[in-house]
Amino acid sequence: NAGVMQNPRHLVRRRGQEARLRCSPMKGHSHVYWYRQLPEEGLKFMVYLQKENIIDESGMPKERFSAEFPKEGPSILRIQQVVRGDSAAYFCASSTRDKWYEQYFGPGTRLTVT
Amino acid sequence: KQEVTQIPAALSVPEGENLVLNCSFTDSAIYNLQWFRQDPGKGLTSLLLIQSSQREQTSGRLNASLDKSSGRSTLYIAASQPGDSATYLCAGGLVGGSEKLVFGKGTKLTVNP
Repeated sequence: NAGVMQNPRHLVRRRGQEARLRCSPMKGHSHVYWYRQLPEEGLKFMVYLQKENIIDESGMPKERFSAEFPKEGPSILRIQQVVRGDSAAYFCASSTRDKWYEQYFGPGTRLTVT
Repeated sequence: KQEVTQIPAALSVPEGENLVLNCSFTDSAIYNLQWFRQDPGKGLTSLLLIQSSQREQTSGRLNASLDKSSGRSTLYIAASQPGDSATYLCAGGLVGGSEKLVFGKGTKLTVNP
């Protein structure tokens, strides 16, 4: 049973470009969570999704950031017009519906904006 | 608003020493408390999960306790080894429909041979 998969592992973008981060949850998991870890900071919740539905996006910046979890395929976190402050590690986690508190984390995508 | 604090931010100990990492949270309405390990440039590995109805969990040389009334959790590592060197994060799951984890900033542990 493969764990949570994220790709790419490292992503370099120039200011103003778009970044797309992908997350495939563990088999049997229906919930996906995205967290961001800024340098020297703890992980901060961004968004929580189920298939085709955003449940809680209270941690998402209001502009330039969006997330989706389509019926088929991975969850995608999209950052438009990236700025240097977006440089961070972005972690995806997944869980079953009943045990949301047991979240399994992927290896993360490290985004560097130059 | 739930806030999680970890003290100390960094800790350096000689191999073989027993040590305690601390985690405190502001809101006792916590569903569970989880300890993770993070190696440099890597993801998170779950170490121990304590449900709100439990007081402690043990796995090998690790023991985690939870005291909701005082808003504290501790992670005890016995007979530390250089391979234990990593950043240890605690995270609280919130009661009340907000299905997310709130993380502390972590304690960076270095175990010297």
